Amino acid sequence: KNQVEQSPQSLIILEGKNCTLQCNYTVSPFSNLRWYKQDTGRGPVSLTIMTFSENTKSNGRYTATLDADTKQSSLHITASQLSDSASYICVVSDRGSTLGRLYFGRGTQLTVWP
Amino acid sequence: EADIYQTPRYLVIGTGKKITLECSQTMGHDKMYWYQQDPGMELHLIHYSYGVNSTEKGDLSSESTVSRIRTEHFPLTLESARPSHTSQYLCASSEPGQESTGELFFGEGSRLTVL
Repeated sequence: KNQVEQSPQSLIILEGKNCTLQCNYTVSPFSNLRWYKQDTGRGPVSLTIMTFSENTKSNGRYTATLDADTKQSSLHITASQLSDSASYICVVSDRGSTLGRLYFGRGTQLTVWP
Repeated sequence: EADIYQTPRYLVIGTGKKITLECSQTMGHDKMYWYQQDPGMELHLIHYSYGVNSTEKGDLSSESTVSRIRTEHFPLTLESARPSHTSQYLCASSEPGQESTGELFFGEGSRLTVL
């Protein structure tokens, strides 16, 4: 069964600190992995998309890594800001069908305190 | 910033009412989607469209219906709302090309509460 598991479910950190969010998946055959940021009451916004051949991709203070062998990804946030408080969703796509299905994780709820 | 818009953002209605959630995008995307999201849960695909006059049901069974008469417009309708329909509804569209690799743009969502 294709699944995406994220950990931790929630995380509280102090402003200025770094943090790492985890995503494990069983989706096969793998096409790409995306990280989205979703502010409360808003729609998700894309942070990164990584294909099989990419190990690392950065977007400002956000750095995503991908290990396609172990089927794990992480999202590292550097020097956190209050505006980083949001849910971070890992999404994995397969390439086994013309639909190219997307499998969503439940998200990690990050809270940054001043 | 994505040019995809949803209205209303918030809606509180009584049981049995008919409602339509509007979704419009100005990016010329052929592919559009409706997702349902409950607090702390993953997004579930309920409807999608590959273009005008194309609509398909998604993975999650839904009593809602959709239409795609114009490329930019993808409304979702509930003929008779029930409390079980209370949820956040997210509309999205994707760039041309491979379904699995195209960037996915989301609207701000419509929060529906049925009393």
